[in-house]
Amino acid sequence: SAVISQKPSRDICQRGTSLTIQCQVDSQVTMMFWYRQQPGQSLTLIATANQGSEATYESGFVIDKFPISRPNLTFSTLTVSNMSPEDSSIYLCSVGGRAGAYEQYFGPGTRLTVT
Amino acid sequence: GNSVTQMEGPVTLSEEAFLTINCTYTATGYPSLFWYVQYPGEGLQLLLKATKADDKGSNKGFEATYRKETTSFHLEKGSVQVSDSAVYFCAPTTGNQFYFGTGTSLTVIP
Repeated sequence: SAVISQKPSRDICQRGTSLTIQCQVDSQVTMMFWYRQQPGQSLTLIATANQGSEATYESGFVIDKFPISRPNLTFSTLTVSNMSPEDSSIYLCSVGGRAGAYEQYFGPGTRLTVT
Repeated sequence: GNSVTQMEGPVTLSEEAFLTINCTYTATGYPSLFWYVQYPGEGLQLLLKATKADDKGSNKGFEATYRKETTSFHLEKGSVQVSDSAVYFCAPTTGNQFYFGTGTSLTVIP
């Protein structure tokens, strides 16, 4: 299994500003994922981040709002841009397990509140 | 496409009670099946998994059996503890498609 850390663990931000969330993994991984979990809800996949290529965004999420970087095989960032209160959520990064196994390992999450 | 239907919560049980959380899915192809657990204030953790029909995944006293004929993967535990209080997510996965159930909140009272 992989050990994943996220920074910051939580933040309170004003509307109109941007926040960059960092995700660090203790081993090299091919696929990294970013999810949003709104209060009391399930997870919604935002995008898949592969090293060396553009992130692949799910329906309803766009790069201008959620730009993602993946500079190497152990690190990724997600930026939440021009925030509004509707962006208040927990943001989770995850990584895939060994090839063909499909399990995921999650970071502890970043709890974002937009005022 | 894939979808998952998970028993709605919240569920409240007394310590040592029997737990069942139902999960059924639809999927194209042959999914791997997972249960994840989210303790308060934490990220999700893999609880158990099964990758083919009739496989039984187990961990920490929890079990779930891959039932291909009924497309189900119900989570069970014979005797819950207060420390099992958490939200449980069923997640069928096919290739690069990950689907999470809505989550079932479990509270175990002493």
